[in-house]
Amino acid sequence: DVKVTQSSRYLVKRTGEKVFLECVQDMDHENMFWYRQDPGLGLRLIYFSYDVKMKEKGDIPEGYSVSREKKERFSLILESASTNQTSMYLCASSLWATNEKLFFGSGTQLSVL
Amino acid sequence: AQKVTQAQTEISVVEKEDVTLDCVYETRDTTYYLFWYKQPPSGELVFLIRRNSFDEQNEISGRYSWNFQKSTSSFNFTITASQVVDSAVYFCALSEDNNAGNMLTFGGGTRLMVKP
Repeated sequence: DVKVTQSSRYLVKRTGEKVFLECVQDMDHENMFWYRQDPGLGLRLIYFSYDVKMKEKGDIPEGYSVSREKKERFSLILESASTNQTSMYLCASSLWATNEKLFFGSGTQLSVL
Repeated sequence: AQKVTQAQTEISVVEKEDVTLDCVYETRDTTYYLFWYKQPPSGELVFLIRRNSFDEQNEISGRYSWNFQKSTSSFNFTITASQVVDSAVYFCALSEDNNAGNMLTFGGGTRLMVKP
C-alpha cells in the first residue's frame, strides 16, 4: 500500500518558535505538496516540490519555507510560529505533475500558543 | 482564476437516505480536471474520482454516483442508501490543465453526518 507519513499527529508550540513538520512518502513520487486546512476554507496550497531541491510557491507561502533534500522527504518550516498559523497541515504526493490524484498523509494539527 | 464552491457546509441524514453533495466550479480553461476526495475522522484524504472536462458521462461506483454538467459548471456527488461509514468531510477540487504541478483548488468542504 502507498504511504505518506507525517511525523506528528498533534503538535503544540509557542509563538516565535521554529517549527519543523516532516513528511515522508514511500512511493517514489516526483511531486510533494504541503496544504493547510482551515474550517470553511478547504485546503490551500502552501508549497510544492516537483523534484529534489526544487520548490514552488503555492497560494499562501508567506511565513513558511520548505526543504526537499531527498526525494522521499518534504519538510515544512515555520521560521517563527505565530498564532494565525494554528491549523491542520496536510502533506500529499503524486507521481507526475499532470493532474493525477494525490495521496495524503493523516495530517498534523498544529497549535501555536 | 479557478474557484470551487461547496455551498453546503454541513448535511445531516439518517441512514439509508440518499444524499447529494453539490459542487460548482469556475474556470476559464477548456481543459480541466475535477476531483472528489473524502476525509474521514482519521484525517487522511482519500481520492474518490477524477473527471476531465471532455468526459461528461455520469459515473457510478457502487452506492456513489457523480453528475458532471458543463452547462451549469457543476460536478455533484450522490450517495445512495447512505451508511454511518459515509460520515466524513467531502471535498470537491479543480485543476486546470495549464497549471504546473497539480495545483488543485479545493472547495470549502461539506461535512456529512449519517445518523443510525
